[in-house]
Amino acid sequence: AQSVSQHNHHVILSEAASLELGCNYSYGGTVNLFWYVQYPGQHLQLLLKYFSGDPLVKGIKGFEAEFIKSKFSFNLRKPSVQWSDTAEYLCAVNAPGAGSYQLTFGKGTKLSVIP
Amino acid sequence: GAGVSQSPSNKVTEKGKDVELRCDPISGHTALYWYRQSLGQGLEFLIYFQGNSAPDKSGLPSDRFSAERTGGSVSTLTIQRTQQEDSAVYLCASSLAQNVAKNIQYFGAGTRLSVL
Repeated sequence: AQSVSQHNHHVILSEAASLELGCNYSYGGTVNLFWYVQYPGQHLQLLLKYFSGDPLVKGIKGFEAEFIKSKFSFNLRKPSVQWSDTAEYLCAVNAPGAGSYQLTFGKGTKLSVIP
Repeated sequence: GAGVSQSPSNKVTEKGKDVELRCDPISGHTALYWYRQSLGQGLEFLIYFQGNSAPDKSGLPSDRFSAERTGGSVSTLTIQRTQQEDSAVYLCASSLAQNVAKNIQYFGAGTRLSVL
C-alpha cells in the first residue's frame, strides 16, 4: 500500500517569502499526485494535480508543484506567499488500477503567513 | 449547484451512544467517499460507494462503523457504541465517477465528532 510523508507539520513565513512544502510518497508504480488546500473555515479543495506529461504542474493562486519520479517527490512551491495563503496543505497520491478511486493523504502542513 | 453538504457540522456525544452522520453529495455524482481525520493524522479512507455496486468497506476501522447510501444519493455513516478514539472530523467527498485521474473528488465541510 502506498503512503505519503509531508516533512513539515507547521511552517511560518513572512509575506513575500518563498514557499516549498515537501511531499514524498512510497509506491513503485505509476501514480497520480494531488495537492489539496483547506483555508480557515472552508472546504478542502483541489490546488493542483499531476497525472502525466510535464512534471511541472501549475495550479491556482500561483502555486506549482514538480513531480520528480526518481525522488518519489511532489513538492509544492510558490515564489511569493501572501497572508491569504494561510491554510492547511495536504498532499495525496492515487495508484491507478485496482482501487483506482482511493486517495492516500499525508498528515498535512499548516502554513501561517505573517503580514 | 450546491457542493457536498454534511450534517451536523458538530456533534458531541457520550461514550457508548450511537451517532449518525449525513452526507448529501453533489447532484449527479455517482461516487461517494467517507474519510476520517483524527488529531495529528492524515485523512483516512473509510468507505466508498459507486452507483449501485457493492461498497468498498475496506477502510472501516471496526464493525461498529457502517454506512449506507440510499437511492444512490444521500449517505449515512453510523457509529455504534462510540468510543473516545472515534473523536475526529469525518469528511465526505463525491465525484462524477470513480476514476480519480479524470474525476476530481469534491469535499464537504465535515462533521466534527467529539466523544466524551
